[in-house]
Amino acid sequence: DGGITQSPKYLFRKEGQNVTLSCEQNLNHDAMYWYRQDPGQGLRLIYYSQIVNDFQKGDIAEGYSVSREKKESFPLTVTSAQKNPTAFYLCASSLTSGNTGELFFGEGSRLTVL
Amino acid sequence: KQEVTQIPAALSVPEGENLVLNCSFTDSAIYNLQWFRQDPGKGLTSLLLIQSSQREQTSGRLNASLDKSSGRSTLYIAASQPGDSATYLCAADSNYQLIWGAGTKLIIKP
Repeated sequence: DGGITQSPKYLFRKEGQNVTLSCEQNLNHDAMYWYRQDPGQGLRLIYYSQIVNDFQKGDIAEGYSVSREKKESFPLTVTSAQKNPTAFYLCASSLTSGNTGELFFGEGSRLTVL
Repeated sequence: KQEVTQIPAALSVPEGENLVLNCSFTDSAIYNLQWFRQDPGKGLTSLLLIQSSQREQTSGRLNASLDKSSGRSTLYIAASQPGDSATYLCAADSNYQLIWGAGTKLIIKP
């Protein structure tokens, strides 16, 4: 079945550690996105990529990094520079770049900093 | 700067009722307006996408409308069921980015 797979579902991190969240899609979508969701707030865009080997910062990119070496994969690294990393992270994709078409989401990864 | 608001933040209704969820946006220059459903601890599922040239879209018991001049979209759910309980989020595609509302948490009481 086509879809987006995020892993791990739950992740615990000690302060000062970097962690990488995986996002893989088999929908043959060009565009991929990373969002952060906090209680009572709308989704906030961290990074997005419209094509392989290219990505752009979203509204809250500080303390995060990404790569897009393959069309199917868009991993997110939460670095020790992110001051408040505990959150629910959502990866999404859409068929084309430019104006956003229908978005497809993964099941999310919940990161907790101990 | 585009802002998207969803009021109320939570809503509880008895099973079988028809209901309307609201989504307001401040800038009418949108490309599309999307509605999503999110179950607790899960990702989002796309429900309906309304292009800026459209007035409404329907899928089963769901109907979404768009009025750009007033900066409003509504999601109408007919004959609500307990399985409709979830958080419903709207997002406006504005200037090549999706701007999100904080969502309305809907509880359908059996």
